[in-house]
Amino acid sequence: AQKITQTQPGMFVQEKEAVTLDCTYDTSDPSYGLFWYKQPSSGEMIFLIYQGSYDQQNATEGRYSLNFQKARKSANLVISASQLGDSAMYFCAMREGTYNTDKLIFGTGTRLQVFP
Amino acid sequence: EAQVTQNPRYLITVTGKKLTVTCSQNMNHEYMSWYRQDPGLGLRQIYYSMNVEVTDKGDVPEGYKVSRKEKRNFPLILESPSPNQTSLYFCASSLDYNEQFFGPGTRLTVL
Repeated sequence: AQKITQTQPGMFVQEKEAVTLDCTYDTSDPSYGLFWYKQPSSGEMIFLIYQGSYDQQNATEGRYSLNFQKARKSANLVISASQLGDSAMYFCAMREGTYNTDKLIFGTGTRLQVFP
Repeated sequence: EAQVTQNPRYLITVTGKKLTVTCSQNMNHEYMSWYRQDPGLGLRQIYYSMNVEVTDKGDVPEGYKVSRKEKRNFPLILESPSPNQTSLYFCASSLDYNEQFFGPGTRLTVL
């Protein structure tokens, strides 16, 4: 079974609009971390935001926020005020457990296109 | 500058010819990982290391070896590469559980 599911292969958004990229996860471990990474066409992986399973508040980093709904096992990325430079692949990832493992599982990604 | 470096960045080789992709980080990170990225599959973890001399399998370890003799280096070894190992490879390191720093990637083609 897929542990990380990104159901949107591609998304379009107009510049300055907000966009939500979906991510659902599956784990029975009470301790886990959720990540979002951006991969522009140049290929590098850029860390955007992190949410721990015990964090009480949704994570925010500038224009990025993570809409964490634990009961629904979703960790959607919200990008506010989209910019042309936001056009890229976006990957959701999960790390299960804490101190005894460094296994990170990625989703298949969502390609975001921002148009003027 | 804090970074993860990988060499080579591009490599074309032939089936069966042993190769090593080097990975080095200058941030004194304890955790290091290797991933491969294939179209439509996202990134899949090959091996990870939580400290010197401590390595463990990720989701797709078959056909790969790693070693962690020093904290800063984590080479990926393909003893007998095959065409299905043609992929984009990323090395990553992290100090804790909040963020992984990725290298620039190595594009490997096995003919």
